[in-house]
Amino acid sequence: GAVVSQHPSRVICKSGTSVKIECRSLDFQATTMFWYRQFPKQSLMLMATSNEGSKATYEQGVEKDKFLINHASLTLSTLTVTSAHPEDSSFYICSAREPGQGRYGYTFGSGTRLTVV
Amino acid sequence: GQNIDQPTEMTATEGAIVQINCTYQTSGFNGLFWYQQHAGEAPTFLSYNVLDGLEEKGRFSSFLSRSKGYSYLLLKELQMKDSASYLCAVRDRGTDKLIFGTGTRLQVFP
Repeated sequence: GAVVSQHPSRVICKSGTSVKIECRSLDFQATTMFWYRQFPKQSLMLMATSNEGSKATYEQGVEKDKFLINHASLTLSTLTVTSAHPEDSSFYICSAREPGQGRYGYTFGSGTRLTVV
Repeated sequence: GQNIDQPTEMTATEGAIVQINCTYQTSGFNGLFWYQQHAGEAPTFLSYNVLDGLEEKGRFSSFLSRSKGYSYLLLKELQMKDSASYLCAVRDRGTDKLIFGTGTRLQVFP
């Protein structure tokens, strides 16, 4: 089946630094990648949608200058949390959309636990 | 806007049946998904409904009523390993994005 590799799985960084999270679709071309954030005991909140070769579309209330998304190829999308602060500590997870696969066309990465100290 | 609501927490006994409800108000509906998620892990796909009615898949069934903006996930013969969060998600017609509900934490007791 379709696999999305997400790295790193865990990262601890200092306040003010930037962190990059990668999601790669291993055996299919992901025309669209969705990025979610999940706080403890809460559901997944959609942050942005990225399409290969174009600018990401951000959900209301998500700062595009803080959460930089790049979808340079059909198999790789990255999320960079810039100037991270403790309130950015969360579980970040990507979901790749494989066209033509209907209900099965959403494959999630394994998530990244970000802790900002 | 979009509003997708679920009960926050539920408890049930091993071997029992539990129904988890999801109500939604969305601007462009193109199907409803149910996912299971264990803490710190990715969601795993359980079921999908796009037409009204019941979809059955082993111990899990999901129901949809588009006119009422309502779905439920039915879990039968509960097992301890079913303790997890259950998320409903609505697919947006225009963008294909999945918008997740508030999530329900289910705890199964022996």
